[in-house]
Amino acid sequence: GAVVSQHPSRVICKSGTSVKIECRSLDFQATTMFWYRQFPKQSLMLMATSNEGSKATYEQGVEKDKFLINHASLTLSTLTVTSAHPEDSSFYICSTGGGETQYFGPGTRLLVL
Amino acid sequence: GENVEQHPSTLSVQEGDSAVIKCTYSDSASNYFPWYKQELGKRPQLIIDIRSNVGEKKDQRIAVTLNKTAKHFSLHITETQPEDSAVYFCAASIRAGNQFYFGTGTSLTVIP
Repeated sequence: GAVVSQHPSRVICKSGTSVKIECRSLDFQATTMFWYRQFPKQSLMLMATSNEGSKATYEQGVEKDKFLINHASLTLSTLTVTSAHPEDSSFYICSTGGGETQYFGPGTRLLVL
Repeated sequence: GENVEQHPSTLSVQEGDSAVIKCTYSDSASNYFPWYKQELGKRPQLIIDIRSNVGEKKDQRIAVTLNKTAKHFSLHITETQPEDSAVYFCAASIRAGNQFYFGTGTSLTVIP
């Protein structure tokens, strides 16, 4: 299956700062990537669909100006959490894949102090 | 949009017993239903999946059944082992390559 990496794996930042998370498809040309957020002991909630070369599609309730997504190449999508606050602390996971199977990145744990 | 419900939220079984997790979905257009196993702090791992043109699929100790009419599907794990302990998520997808909508998860504990 596809190999998906994320960077960083863990980040701690101060409230009000912005954090960029990278999702890379190492062996697969990903025209579409998905970003999920997972709070402790909860399910994965789809945040947005990242489309290479075009604007991302956001799920209802997800602020597009707060969670900036850029998908400039077939192997890289970035999620930037702008002006992060403690309530943004969560586990962020990306996924991509061909056909029906989705392959998940290892996740990025964000802690906002 | 799609709404996936999952039960139970927690499940404890004795080693060797069977475990069953059930999910329902709302969108009749959904046609692909994967199950994922997630260990603490790690990425979800696909364990089995089923498509809407199939009623049942089995892979060793794991099986999944699908009832399209009732819009529900279930995961069955037989002869459970301690290493089966994890959180299990069901998901539904409307079409190939599309995003998944996940169930709320089931924390399975297999007691040695």
